[in-house]
Amino acid sequence: QQQVKQSPQSLIVQKGGISIINCAYENTAFDYFPWYQQFPGKGPALLIAIRPDVSEKKEGRFTISFNKSAKQFSLHIMDSQPGDSATYFCAASNDNQGGKLIFGQGTELSVKP
Amino acid sequence: DTAVSQTPKYLVTQMGNDKSIKCEQNLGHDTMYWYKQDSKKFLKIMFSYNNKELIINETVPNRFSPKSPDKAHLNLHINSLELGDSAVYFCASSQSGPKKYFGPGTRLTVL
Repeated sequence: QQQVKQSPQSLIVQKGGISIINCAYENTAFDYFPWYQQFPGKGPALLIAIRPDVSEKKEGRFTISFNKSAKQFSLHIMDSQPGDSATYFCAASNDNQGGKLIFGQGTELSVKP
Repeated sequence: DTAVSQTPKYLVTQMGNDKSIKCEQNLGHDTMYWYKQDSKKFLKIMFSYNNKELIINETVPNRFSPKSPDKAHLNLHINSLELGDSAVYFCASSQSGPKKYFGPGTRLTVL
């Protein structure tokens, strides 16, 4: 059972454009929603995360939008740069379940110069 | 200084062999994890240890046995390797919260 669904699978954006990646979850007990960035040959690295008590969180060019009633959240990358080209994973967890992260399927982002 | 390190980086072996992957974290974290990333890049948790105690064991074949000699180390031993075990294995750690730090991964190829 895939508890976190991510789309699109791949995304091509021009430099300076906005990249948008969407995720939907099923388990309403999830209380932590991070986004991880992974470069080829490297481990995932935490980019930004949100709790369900807020609808938006912004850190630099990265913004998470969270819609609790729709059970959806998304990552927006403003002014996308070629250096942002990587695979992005959304995830979800519940603090009472031992920190177990459930990942989405990943989105391969390519930012063209 | 590397926060979470894994050895080896690459592991190529024959079916049926037994192999181990080592993980060390120097962050002082209490909880360590093993995740498997398959050929489609899907990441799935395998095990979690807190202070050397197993707290998560996700329907992983018993050919996989994690061992935590102390809270800074979590090793993964795999017996009787199968073709389907080929993947990238990531170690991670966390401390009193959901933020996880991942290691660089070990790419296992079973021939």
